[in-house]
Parts: sequence; C-alpha cells; structure tokens
Amino acid sequence: ETGVTQSPTHLIKTRGQQVTLRCSSQSGHNTVSWYQQALGQGPQFIFQYYREEENGRGNFPPRFSGLQFPNYSSELNVNALELDDSALYLCASSLLRTGSYNEQFFGPGTRLTVL
Amino acid sequence: AQSVTQPDIHITVSEGASLELRCNYSYGATPYLFWYVQSPGQGLQLLLKYFSGDTLVQGIKGFEAEFKRSQSSFNLRKPSVHWSDAAEYFCAVGAGGANNLFFGTGTRLTVIP
Repeated sequence: ETGVTQSPTHLIKTRGQQVTLRCSSQSGHNTVSWYQQALGQGPQFIFQYYREEENGRGNFPPRFSGLQFPNYSSELNVNALELDDSALYLCASSLLRTGSYNEQFFGPGTRLTVL
Repeated sequence: AQSVTQPDIHITVSEGASLELRCNYSYGATPYLFWYVQSPGQGLQLLLKYFSGDTLVQGIKGFEAEFKRSQSSFNLRKPSVHWSDAAEYFCAVGAGGANNLFFGTGTRLTVIP
C-alpha cells in the first residue's frame, strides 16, 4: 500500500509569483484535503476535493485553488504569492463514506518559502 | 464554531517520567477527536482517535487519551517517556461536512536524559 506523497519537497518563490503543489493520494482513497501550517502553528484547513469537485473550504482567499484528477491525485495552486504564504503545505487523503468520519492520512508536506 | 486549545506551548520531561499533554475543544456536537505527532520536517502521524464508545482510547507508541465530555477535554498521556518521543504534538477535532480537521497550536515536547 503506497502512502500519501507530495512534490516538491521544498520550493522557493518570490512575491507575486504563482505556485503549484502536487499530491498523490493513498491507494484506495477518493478524497484529498489540503492544509497550511505556518511556522509555530497548527495546520489550517484550506479545502477538500472529492470526486474532482471542491467539497468544503476553509477561510482562504480565492487565489488558493485546487484540482483533483480522475486518479484522485490533486494539485494546490496559489496565485499572487504573498510573504505570509510561506508555510508547510500538507496534503491528506481519505476514503469518504457517507455518514461516518473518515480518517485522514497525511503526506510529508511541501515547504514553500516566499521571498 | 469549532476550536481546539492546547494550553502548553512547550513541555520538558525527563526520560522515563510520565507525560500528560492537555487539550480542550469547543464543538457543538459529539466530537471526533485526534492526537497527531509531528517530528521535525515531517508530516503528521496519527497517534490515536476517539469517535465514540469507551472514553479511554489506546494508541500507538504506548500513548493513551481520555475523553471527558464534562470538561471538554481530550488529554494525551504516556506512563514512561522515551527520548524518541521528542516532537510536536497536535490535538485536533474533526467536524463539518468535509470531515476537515481543526488543529490546536501544538505542544512541543522535549525529553531530557
């Protein structure tokens, strides 16, 4: 069973640029959630994708967007990068089943630095 | 609104000593509660979870946690800490239609020999 993988591991961008982060979900999972973890903070929910559609969103502006592909992998896109976007971005996959809570399995994260 | 409070930012314990990390939550319904551990530069590993039933739950690496509804708490315990337990610990509550997680700010554990 392959776990959740993320790429790249580290990334450095400058303010105003755009970035794409990638996540491959664990085998058998159909849902991907993205979290932002600023330094010294707990992860904050950005959004979740289920069946290629957004299935919930946290308090993040529209310049944070995502995609989910038929193989359930996902991308997180951030436009017009700001210094405060510097963080560890975590992807988590799960098997969404109606009527129950579904455990999320986390990837190792992508460390984004915005200069 | 959901929220999680971890009142201890940093805890230092001696190897072999017992450990308790505090977590208080705010949630309108029956919560789904989790403890995760994060080593430096790593993602999150699930230690244990509470969905329903027995309020004392056992997890991996010898950890346990007790759900106390009256106190809105879900404290993590370990009877004897090992040096390898040094890490950041996060309490989280699962909520919402998207089953998203709300995390506390974490407690950093240092283990001294």
